[in-house]
Formats: sequence, structure tokens, C-alpha cells
Amino acid sequence: GQQLNQSPQSMFIQEGEDVSMNCTSSSIFNTWLWYKQDPGEGPVLLIALYKAGELTSNGRLTAQFGITRKDSFLNISASIPSDVGIYFCAGLSNFGNEKLTFGTGTRLTIIP
Amino acid sequence: DTGVSQDPRHKITKRGQNVTFRCDPISEHNRLYWYRQTLGQGPEFLTYFQNEAQLEKSRLLSDRFSAERPKGSFSTLEIQRTEQGDSAMYLCASSLVGDIHGYTFGSGTRLTVV
Repeated sequence: GQQLNQSPQSMFIQEGEDVSMNCTSSSIFNTWLWYKQDPGEGPVLLIALYKAGELTSNGRLTAQFGITRKDSFLNISASIPSDVGIYFCAGLSNFGNEKLTFGTGTRLTIIP
Repeated sequence: DTGVSQDPRHKITKRGQNVTFRCDPISEHNRLYWYRQTLGQGPEFLTYFQNEAQLEKSRLLSDRFSAERPKGSFSTLEIQRTEQGDSAMYLCASSLVGDIHGYTFGSGTRLTVV
């Protein structure tokens, strides 16, 4: 099945650093979502974006819906240990069926 | 409300055996989705239901896979004649139509075929 391209695949950072990751697609999406997945758990929604160009924040997280509707970005400021996990973008093209297309994931590790 | 529940959490089976997983969605949710996630990848859509009607199936869902939601509440996913390539995490999610913020995933069933 189709998967969106996420980069980087993995990040190793120190606590307190800022993090940036992005997601690109060959097709247009009408909604972009960012999820976090902890080991052995399902994904949990962090941020939802509904309009091209939209910039939305949720605490230390900020995400943007690209103007072309083919990409999205997630930034995490001042990282803390509980930020460790895998971050997935997901696109939704048809609001009628809510069938999500996920990215390949970015694994975030915090170095002590 | 305890969220989306999946049972079992882990299943190890021998190749060729049949397995069945269960998903209990959030009670008022009319949409129920199944996804498969292999190691190092994001979840991939398999199928979804609105109430008891199965509205779409992915090409990933071979003839050996069948899903049901008989009364519009819980759902089952059965895999017949399992193959090693079926080893994955099977995730269930539920939502109300049009409510992306309420789209909630369960913790998944991890299947290992040996």
C-alpha cells in the first residue's frame, strides 16, 4: 500500500533540543494529521490540520499544512524524555471515509 | 468509556493455522477500521465498517482475510491458513463519521506466525 515519505527516519537528540521532521506525498491530501506511537501501543493523535498553509500548535508541538497540500511539517520545541517514540504523519484525502494513509515514521531518541 | 479494546494483545501461531482477533470500539462510534502495521512501517489501511456494513476493503486484504461487524458493535478479523508474511501488528480504530479528533486506535494485536 501507499506510504508517505517521512524524514528523517530517526533522530538522536539531547534533552532540551528542538526537533523538526517532515512528510511528503506525491498526491494531494485535504487533511494532515500527526500521531505519536509508543512501543506496544496504537498511535495517538497529536495535531490535525485542515487547510493549506495552516499552522497549528499543541503545547510544545507546532505543525504546518503545506501550501501545495502535498507536505506537512512537525516541530517539537525543548524536547523532554517523554517525547521519545515514533512520530507518524497521516493524510486524509476523502473526508467521507476517513481512511488514513500513514508515513513511514520518524523515530525520536533522546540521548542522556 | 475505556477506549478501543483489542483481544488478544499477542498471538503466536503456526503457519497454516487460522486466527481470529476481536476489536471492541468506543461504544457510540459508528465507524470501525482495521489497519496492519509491519515492523518499521506505518499502519496500512485494511478495511472499514460503518455500523454493520463493510464499506471498503484494501487490496492488502487477500481472500484469506475476512472481517465482520455483525451487530454494528464489536468486530472480528479472521486470517485463514496463516503465512509468515502475515506477522504484523493488527490495529483497530473507531470514530464517529466526520470526527477526526475522536478517531481512536486500540493497542493492537501482535501476530507472530512461526
